[in-house]
Amino acid sequence: NAGVTQTPKFQVLKTGQSMTLQCAQDMNHEYMSWYRQDPGMGLRLIHYSVGAGITDQGEVPNGYNVSRSTTEDFPLRLLSAAPSQTSVYFCASSTGSYEKLFFGSGTQLSVL
Amino acid sequence: SQQGEEDPQALSIQEGENATMNCSYKTSINNLQWYRQNSGRGLVHLILIRSNEREKHSGRLRVTLDTSKKSSSLLITASRAADTASYFCATATPDSWGKLQFGAGTQVVVTP
Repeated sequence: NAGVTQTPKFQVLKTGQSMTLQCAQDMNHEYMSWYRQDPGMGLRLIHYSVGAGITDQGEVPNGYNVSRSTTEDFPLRLLSAAPSQTSVYFCASSTGSYEKLFFGSGTQLSVL
Repeated sequence: SQQGEEDPQALSIQEGENATMNCSYKTSINNLQWYRQNSGRGLVHLILIRSNEREKHSGRLRVTLDTSKKSSSLLITASRAADTASYFCATATPDSWGKLQFGAGTQVVVTP
């Protein structure tokens, strides 16, 4: 099993550009989530999904969009990139709410 | 605001010594989890302790939970250079649909 796979690993964007961060898991997990990690602030939840077709907002959802059309995939879309979105983004999955998370290796995003 | 806060922010010890870090939180929890993050990598789950549990062990790791004080501790015994990493606590509250809130982490450096 590959676990949780994130692509790309690195990305540089210009302000105003849009892009999609990809996340896929092969563990048949129902629960998936996106976090961003900024220095000194730990991880903050952006969006999460408890199953295909169901998504909800986390702590810092503004400027991001998600969809969950399949159990395996949970892409994160940046609609119009801003320098404040410069961060490391992690996708995670679990068997259900309240269970341990399996993390991807992260995407380091810089917005100039 | 963060639910969990780790203390200390940084810890430097020598191989063979024990490392202890603490996590305090603000509201009632369903469970508390500890994660490790090596530099430039994703987070790895260490231990999950539920609100009705007081202590759990996993190899050289020991986690305690005191719900009356709203605090938890992670003890790493006989530390190794490979334990050098950041350690995060994360809490899930009963009404949160399992959303985990992470603290800012404790950076542990183990020198040979």
